[in-house]
Amino acid sequence: DSGVTQTPKHLITATGQRVTLRCSPRSGDLSVYWYQQSLDQGLQFLIQYYNGEERAKGNILERFSAQQFPDLHSELNLSSLELGDSALYFCASSVGGGYQETQYFGPGTRLLVL
Amino acid sequence: QKEVEQDPGPLSVPEGAIVSLNCTYSNSAFQYFMWYRQYSRKGPELLMYTYSSGNKEDGRFTAQVDKSSKYISLFIRDSQPSDSATYLCAMSDSGGSNYKLTFGKGTLLTVNP
Repeated sequence: DSGVTQTPKHLITATGQRVTLRCSPRSGDLSVYWYQQSLDQGLQFLIQYYNGEERAKGNILERFSAQQFPDLHSELNLSSLELGDSALYFCASSVGGGYQETQYFGPGTRLLVL
Repeated sequence: QKEVEQDPGPLSVPEGAIVSLNCTYSNSAFQYFMWYRQYSRKGPELLMYTYSSGNKEDGRFTAQVDKSSKYISLFIRDSQPSDSATYLCAMSDSGGSNYKLTFGKGTLLTVNP
């Protein structure tokens, strides 16, 4: 158990809908990362937050947004969902967010868009 | 050309075999190299971490980085059925404002008892 929690574990929804994925980092970690994992693209970095502020952006679509709250939990919002958004979404956390730091991954949220 | 290439396998070996997993990359700015292990239906967990070139050993696992060839390897000695998982290589550059980890697609390993 990495100490990172994600809810829900599974999510089934329809195209065009909007969903919110939630992540609680390990105690003491200030940085949160979101990743998308699919069979064809592998694990792709979406976005990083550090202590409430956006730190880095990866291959995140404009339909997706995220935020980190004062209690350091983070939410990833996915809107206007398409079939291709079906994937595993992972949250990871690290202490400070530096490039040399270990990231600890949560168990993931499996999203299925029908 | 993708930044990180990894043979997806699958790789199937008998228990006790030496396993070699590899990744190649194209971005010469990568300085930090990691191997993650991901069991089915779980999140990735960090196995090994190496900075720049060289070898690092941890128990049955050895990570090698050859920056001149842009090639990294993970060796597993005396492989066990519990090593059956997907192994992902990951890399990052030396910082800057756009930090991110870039992953290979992963190699699925099965160790047969």
